[in-house]
Amino acid sequence: EVQLVESGGGLVHPGESLTLSCLASGFTFSDFYMTWVRQAPGKGLEWVANINQDGSARYYVDSVRGRFTFSRDNARNSLYLHMNSLKAEDTAVYYCVRWVRALDFWGRGTPVTVSS
Amino acid sequence: DIVMTQTPLSLSVTPGQPASISCRSTQSLLDSHGNTFLYWYLHKPGQSPQLLIYEVSKRFSGVPDRFSGSGSGTDFTLKISRVEAEDVGVFYCMQSTQLPVTFGQGTRLEIK
Repeated sequence: EVQLVESGGGLVHPGESLTLSCLASGFTFSDFYMTWVRQAPGKGLEWVANINQDGSARYYVDSVRGRFTFSRDNARNSLYLHMNSLKAEDTAVYYCVRWVRALDFWGRGTPVTVSS
Repeated sequence: DIVMTQTPLSLSVTPGQPASISCRSTQSLLDSHGNTFLYWYLHKPGQSPQLLIYEVSKRFSGVPDRFSGSGSGTDFTLKISRVEAEDVGVFYCMQSTQLPVTFGQGTRLEIK
């Protein structure tokens, strides 16, 4: 059974940093692109970033490029989203998702709140 | 960026009745290899979003056959032949033909 478990969310002040993690199981992790998707309170879904199988290629939505870094450790079946210079508009539930062009399996999400 | 526009933004449907959601993109989602990367998701309250339909019309594993997808180019439709109470939530279309991946605004389905 495919499982994706996010962790690391919390309350931070504007300008601070936070790192989210995602632990994957139930599939050959190193064979798949992975994705982060977020949902701000009362808003729709927003794609944040993709990473390819070996971590050599990463793609970001414009609003986070230069502030967020997506990485992976295939030996640990883990993903990381390093978020710097956080803004109030980054407040959202962040989902770790498997990418096969479709987003076929989703984690339960971890909430991030950026507030002073 | 490709903008995805869903209509309607909300639906109220009696159980057993059909429902339809439209999704339009600002550019054709047909790629140079003849693939169309258009997807439908349902986000139920308190759950993670779930994939319903992939590549316009293919039902994902375990999705009931009362859900169907159709369309081409820039116009796509999700149909529910007979709405059930468990279908409550927000439906999203999504394209991944071109980065950035973009979602529609969502269509909220409620049961009468």
